[in-house]
Amino acid sequence: ETGVTQTPRHLVMGMTNKKSLKCEQHLGHNAMYWYKQSAKKPLELMFVYSLEERVENNSVPSRFSPECPNSSHLFLHLHTLQPEDSALYLCASSQVIAGTYEQYFGPGTRLTVT
Amino acid sequence: LAKTTQPISMDSYEGQEVNITCSHNNIATNDYITWYQQFPSQGPRFIIQGYKTKVTNEVASLFIPADRKSSTLSLPRVSLSDTAVYYCLVTFNDMRFGAGTRLTVKP
Repeated sequence: ETGVTQTPRHLVMGMTNKKSLKCEQHLGHNAMYWYKQSAKKPLELMFVYSLEERVENNSVPSRFSPECPNSSHLFLHLHTLQPEDSALYLCASSQVIAGTYEQYFGPGTRLTVT
Repeated sequence: LAKTTQPISMDSYEGQEVNITCSHNNIATNDYITWYQQFPSQGPRFIIQGYKTKVTNEVASLFIPADRKSSTLSLPRVSLSDTAVYYCLVTFNDMRFGAGTRLTVKP
């Protein structure tokens, strides 16, 4: 248990559905991240929030929409996804102090788009 | 793109010491070197972090030469449960993971 929880753990959705992934950190950290990991591929950084402001968006398609209402919660809203979006979506948090930080990852949400 | 280069895979046997080297030729003054471990279908787990020389904790050691252009993660006496992917990151403003090193520990 890392102190970062993600729900749901598994999600199957059709291409026309709208769903949301939720991440909550109980560590008092000031930064949160979304990563995507497709089968046998490296983690891809999607979004970074620092002090609840989005500081990075790595050319992610607009069908993925992040939301960070406070420093403990992070959402990823999904709509009209494609089958190639099927992957493990990982949330992480960290406390950034003078450029050094450790990321704590949640267990991930396994997403399947049909 | 990740700023690091690691071997794609390594094999070892139980009880051996494993050293995984990472190259980061363009490391910046403010960058720290961080290593993570990832098991299948799980999020990465922090192992160790360092800036220079040597860092040791209960699970690993990290060796960083004076020029900081590379680092070596040392895992003492590995077991089957150490089979995982190991990632090296240089972290300040960049949280991108590379392909990592897939370590397979054999009995």
